[in-house]
Amino acid sequence: QKEVEQNSGPLSVPEGAIASLNCTYSDRGSQSFFWYRQYSGKSPELIMSIYSNGDKEDGRFTAQLNKASQYVSLLIRDSQPSDSATYLCAVKSGGSYIPTFGRGTSLIVHP
Amino acid sequence: DVKVTQSSRYLVKRTGEKVFLECVQDMDHENMFWYRQDPGLGLRLIYFSYDVKMKEKGDIPEGYSVSREKKERFSLILESASTNQTSMYLCASRYPPDGGTEAFFGQGTRLTVV
Repeated sequence: QKEVEQNSGPLSVPEGAIASLNCTYSDRGSQSFFWYRQYSGKSPELIMSIYSNGDKEDGRFTAQLNKASQYVSLLIRDSQPSDSATYLCAVKSGGSYIPTFGRGTSLIVHP
Repeated sequence: DVKVTQSSRYLVKRTGEKVFLECVQDMDHENMFWYRQDPGLGLRLIYFSYDVKMKEKGDIPEGYSVSREKKERFSLILESASTNQTSMYLCASRYPPDGGTEAFFGQGTRLTVV
């Protein structure tokens, strides 16, 4: 059974701080990693994807991947109240059609 | 931009009714998925289809069936709706069959069975 684990939170950070969201996965054959943001009552939207070890930056977002430790994280710099949402980690193995989703971490950015 | 469109945003149905949830994507994606999302349980895969007329059960297929007669359309059918099927239903699609591309989601259908 492939598992993707996330702390459910809520993670509460002040506006302007760095929010750090973490995700671990069980399948060593995983090759593709995604972070989705989901606002309350809305559907998930992709914000980052990462495929190789190291960091990938996109604006205020940085995804970090460590395959040896089976760990992927999302850093949000200069957090804004509009970043308050649930963040879903998804992991996919090569040759599989189906991404496995974590249950999500709720992030609250307070002014 | 990829568009995945679900036929209804909100739906209220009676117990025992047959319910159809429709999903259409406009990007020629081969893979399509139906999930349900409940508080504390995350996204759970009901069925997926890797190509036209092909379908596979996901983690929770009981009480559901699917149809994919055309590449762009993937329908979820609740054969006899029950109150425990009250949930948010999310359709997603992705391309290509293999590789690392992400799944794109529709806007979701919040189904209430009374």
